[in-house]
Amino acid sequence: QEKVQQSPESLIVPEGAMSSLNCTFSNSASQSIWWYQQHPGKGPEALISIFSNGNKKEGRLTVYLNRASLHVSLHIRDSQPSDSAVYLCAVSFGGNNKLTFGQGTVLSVIP
Amino acid sequence: GGIITQTPKFLIGQEGQKLTLKCQQNFNHDTMYWYRQDSGKGLRLIYYSITENDLQKGDLSEGYDASREKKSSFSLTVTSAQKNEMAVFLCASTLGGYEQYFGPGTRLTVL
Repeated sequence: QEKVQQSPESLIVPEGAMSSLNCTFSNSASQSIWWYQQHPGKGPEALISIFSNGNKKEGRLTVYLNRASLHVSLHIRDSQPSDSAVYLCAVSFGGNNKLTFGQGTVLSVIP
Repeated sequence: GGIITQTPKFLIGQEGQKLTLKCQQNFNHDTMYWYRQDSGKGLRLIYYSITENDLQKGDLSEGYDASREKKSSFSLTVTSAQKNEMAVFLCASTLGGYEQYFGPGTRLTVL
């Protein structure tokens, strides 16, 4: 069974700081990696995805993927209190429309 | 844009009771999913369906049944509710296995 692990479990940063979240996965043959954001009482919403080794930037978000080390990270520049949420890393293993999720990182941005 | 509706929002049942959760989407997506989210844990896949009348088991299908009679709807039945099943159940859909769109969830409490 494929596994996805996230760290840290929780992260507290001051407003304006960079938030850095990590995710490791069990199989380098993974297809795509997604980051989802989930606010309390809501369903997850997709933020950004990456398929190829390297980095991808969208607005304040940057994702780095290193397939050799089975590691992906999400960095949120200029973090805002509205970024406070649970962040879920999800990996597609194989072309079967399925995602395997990590346990999440709780981000708190303090004004 | 589209929307995923889950009913009911809150579901309270007795131990041993059969309970049904419903999900509707108007994205016209082919694939739909049911996930379970326990407190402090990620999402675990219960069932998914790649087209109407198709059902595929996920990692957590024991104790659950599912039904996809129409493209737009996907139901999940807890066959015999247990106290350790108190969780949030999330429905999602996708077109072609790309971004998954989630509903707001049904919170299950078993007395």
